Amino acid sequence: AQSVAQPEDQVNVAEGNPLTVKCTYSVSGNPYLFWYVQYPNRGLQFLLKYITGDNLVKGSYGFEAEFNKSQTSFHLKKPSALVSDSALYFCAVRGPLTGGGNKLTFGTGTQLKVEL
Amino acid sequence: DVKVTQSSRYLVKRTGEKVFLECVQDMDHENMFWYRQDPGLGLRLIYFSYDVKMKEKGDIPEGYSVSREKKERFSLILESASTNQTSMYLCASSPDRTNTEAFFGQGTRLTVV
Repeated sequence: AQSVAQPEDQVNVAEGNPLTVKCTYSVSGNPYLFWYVQYPNRGLQFLLKYITGDNLVKGSYGFEAEFNKSQTSFHLKKPSALVSDSALYFCAVRGPLTGGGNKLTFGTGTQLKVEL
Repeated sequence: DVKVTQSSRYLVKRTGEKVFLECVQDMDHENMFWYRQDPGLGLRLIYFSYDVKMKEKGDIPEGYSVSREKKERFSLILESASTNQTSMYLCASSPDRTNTEAFFGQGTRLTVV
């Protein structure tokens, strides 16, 4: 069974400092990994994805994520945090295509709080 | 832009009522998903559908059923609503390719009293 772990319920960082939100995964076959962001009372917005190729993936709003196969991790990063980055962040993994479709499994989410 | 529309933002229902949550997508996507979101538990998959009239159970299907009679519409049904089904429900759709992200609706906050 596929799964995602986000070990931190909350991450606090000062504006201007770098941020990291951690994610590890478990899936059979090649991993397809995603990060989403959720603002209060809104649906999820796609940030970035890893499919294949370069281990450093760049996405929206200056975010990037580093894929590490040996550690089965896909950590979200940003060099300089903004107060407006404060939101709930979800990591997700998609399993391989089968005759019955493929599941998209999410982690429990990490609340990012950026303070002045 | 891809649009996933959920019929209600907020819904209040009584215990024992039959509840329908509707979701429509306009991009001809094969896959559609229903999740519930609860604090500390993240998004948990209830059901997903990979084609018309095809469905698969997710991780927490108990107490729910789904219907997909047309490709663009995926309905979540609570046969007899209970207070422990009070939650935020999120619908998503995606093309039938592993490397493509899913697109989400705005969510329906359901309260069962």
